[in-house]
Amino acid sequence: AQKVTQAQTEISVVEKEDVTLDCVYETRDTTYYLFWYKQPPSGELVFLIRRNSFDEQNEISGRYSWNFQKSTSSFNFTITASQVVDSAVYFCALSGFAYSGAGSYQLTFGKGTKLSVIP
Amino acid sequence: EAGVTQSPTHLIKTRGQQATLRCSPISGHTSVYWYQQALGLGLQFLLWYDEGEERNRGNFPPRFSGRQFPNYSSELNVNALELEDSALYLCASIETGLWMNTEAFFGQGTRLTVV
Repeated sequence: AQKVTQAQTEISVVEKEDVTLDCVYETRDTTYYLFWYKQPPSGELVFLIRRNSFDEQNEISGRYSWNFQKSTSSFNFTITASQVVDSAVYFCALSGFAYSGAGSYQLTFGKGTKLSVIP
Repeated sequence: EAGVTQSPTHLIKTRGQQATLRCSPISGHTSVYWYQQALGLGLQFLLWYDEGEERNRGNFPPRFSGRQFPNYSSELNVNALELEDSALYLCASIETGLWMNTEAFFGQGTRLTVV
């Protein structure tokens, strides 16, 4: 079975600090995709990034960066110079084949990390 | 282009009643996924509809059911409501049936409160 663990339930940082959100995953698939989503207070999940299992190159997008390490099954997310607007719940997710039930591809989410950026 | 829309935004029901939640996917998207987000539990997969058929369901009792209409909109029904069904129910649509290589778009959710 596939599993996503976000060990940090809540994190508080002061504005302009850097913060890293951890994500560790488990899967028996060799081909899979990893995602990060942001959920602001409005409730709607906003897609941030998708990374496939064969691409371990780190990615940077503005103040956001992602570190994918297959050796440790981790896909961590760093926000540089955090801002109040970054306050949200962040979800890491894994897409792979679900061997239970009807047997199909399924997106499994971690429990999320609530980030609070204090002005 | 309109995003994924869900209705109602909020719903209050009494234990034992039935609730119906609706989702309209992005135009051109044929797949709809339903997730339950209960406090502290993250997003739990409920149901997947594609091309009008139920393709998979999560580990939820049969009183959680739904359907997808010819226009690809979807309805989630929860019968015999229990207090622990109180949660945010999120609908997501994707262009094809697979999560693997495509972005999912989420609605703002329906906040169901069972009293």
